[in-house]
Amino acid sequence: GAVVSQHPSWVICKSGTSVKIECRSLDFQATTMFWYRQFPKQSLMLMATSNEGSKATYEQGVEKDKFLINHASLTLSTLTVTSAHPEDSSFYICSAKPFGAGELFFGEGSRLTVL
Amino acid sequence: DAKTTQPNSMESNEEEPVHLPCNHSTISGTDYIHWYRQLPSQGPEYVIHGLTSNVNNRMASLAIAEDRKSSTLILHRATLRDAAVYYCILAAGNNRKLIWGLGTSLAVNP
Repeated sequence: GAVVSQHPSWVICKSGTSVKIECRSLDFQATTMFWYRQFPKQSLMLMATSNEGSKATYEQGVEKDKFLINHASLTLSTLTVTSAHPEDSSFYICSAKPFGAGELFFGEGSRLTVL
Repeated sequence: DAKTTQPNSMESNEEEPVHLPCNHSTISGTDYIHWYRQLPSQGPEYVIHGLTSNVNNRMASLAIAEDRKSSTLILHRATLRDAAVYYCILAAGNNRKLIWGLGTSLAVNP
C-alpha cells in the first residue's frame, strides 16, 4: 500500500514556542492531505484539509492562526503549532489518499508535549 | 454526516474468529462503509471498505446487511497483533473526509 510518513514522531517543547510537523506521501502524489488531532482515549478529530497550492480548509473551532498549514508540493504538507501551550499537547496525525484509491493512508502520528 | 454505532469493547481469544458489529441506520445510498484500525500510539491503518456486496481481502472480510443498515467486520483468526481500536466509518463517494466515532477496542487473549 501507499506510504505516508510523519516527522518528528515525538517532540517536547517549552510553552510559547512553535513546532512544525511534516507529513510526506512517499510513493504517490497527494493534492489533498488531512490533519487530525487525537487526545488520550478519544477518537480522531479532523482539524483541517490541506490543499496543494492553496489555503487549507479548517474545521469549525480550529484556529487557523494557531495551526498553520502549508502544502507547498504534491508530497509534503506541514502543520505548525504556533505559540504552543500545554493544552496543545496531543497526538497529531496526517492522512492522504492516492488518486483512484478508495482508502486513506495515515502517517505514524506525531506526539507533541508542551511543557 | 451519517453516524455509526459500535460496542465500546470486545474480547476474543487468539486464533478464534472475531465479529465486530457496526450499526449505521441512517446510511445514504452513496455512503461507503469503511473500517480502519488503530494500534496504540500509531496512526490508523486501513482494513477494508465496501458499498453493497460483501468484501474480502487479506486482512478481513466485510459482511454488509441487505438493507445496508448494519455491517460486520470479520477477522477470521485473531492474533495478538489484532488488538486495536476498530473504527467503522461512513464516507460518501469520493469524499475523503472521514468522521470518526469512538470505535471498538478489541482485546485478544493468548
